[in-house]
Amino acid sequence: QITLKESGPTLVKPTQTLTLTCTFSGFSLDTSGVGVGWIRQPPGKALEWLALIYWDDDTRYSPSLKSRLTITKDTSKNQVVLTMTNMDPVDTATYYCAHLLVYCSGDCYSLGFDYWGQGTLVTVSS
Amino acid sequence: DIQLTQSPSFVSASVGDRVTITCRATQGISSYLAWYQQKPGKAPKLLIYAASTLQSGVPSRFSGSGSGTEFTLTISSLRPEDFATYYCQQLESDPPYSFGQGTKLEIK
Repeated sequence: QITLKESGPTLVKPTQTLTLTCTFSGFSLDTSGVGVGWIRQPPGKALEWLALIYWDDDTRYSPSLKSRLTITKDTSKNQVVLTMTNMDPVDTATYYCAHLLVYCSGDCYSLGFDYWGQGTLVTVSS
Repeated sequence: DIQLTQSPSFVSASVGDRVTITCRATQGISSYLAWYQQKPGKAPKLLIYAASTLQSGVPSRFSGSGSGTEFTLTISSLRPEDFATYYCQQLESDPPYSFGQGTKLEIK
């Protein structure tokens, strides 16, 4: 059974760096075809895709946030960490990590996020 | 980057109604489209991937269709538990894997 859970601060000050950890079970991030992503949702607004890391350490970022984001993995701990620098009140949101459903037949194709964490609300305020 | 536009943004319907939500992409994405359902205070739930493949455990009243730039999610006969917000997401080749702005399905 796949589970994911986000952890990190609930309140950060403007200009600070946010570090969120996704701890997962039921799969391994050193298995071919596996990926974990981060998605956020400001209160009352739509989902926004942030970043993705694959089993082979390949990383992808939202172009609009790329300069502020870093995603890493620690396979020994079954964790994925997202850091976001220079936090602003507009970054107030619920942050989710999620398992990426991938189909591989020669090449690999991303199909969607099939398992999600419960989300963690991060408020940016002085 | 590929943008997705959902229509309508809000839909009001009754139990038993048939509802269709449309998602349009700014460029062709083949069939690399997923649909999610989100209820208040909960994480999104994957309903459909590859435009028309029902995720395991999702009721058969949900269906998806389309390819290229236009896609639809249809709920054949609404049940009370279907009132939620629905999002499409494109996953064509390389990220970013953008989402639509959402469609809120409300009880009439």
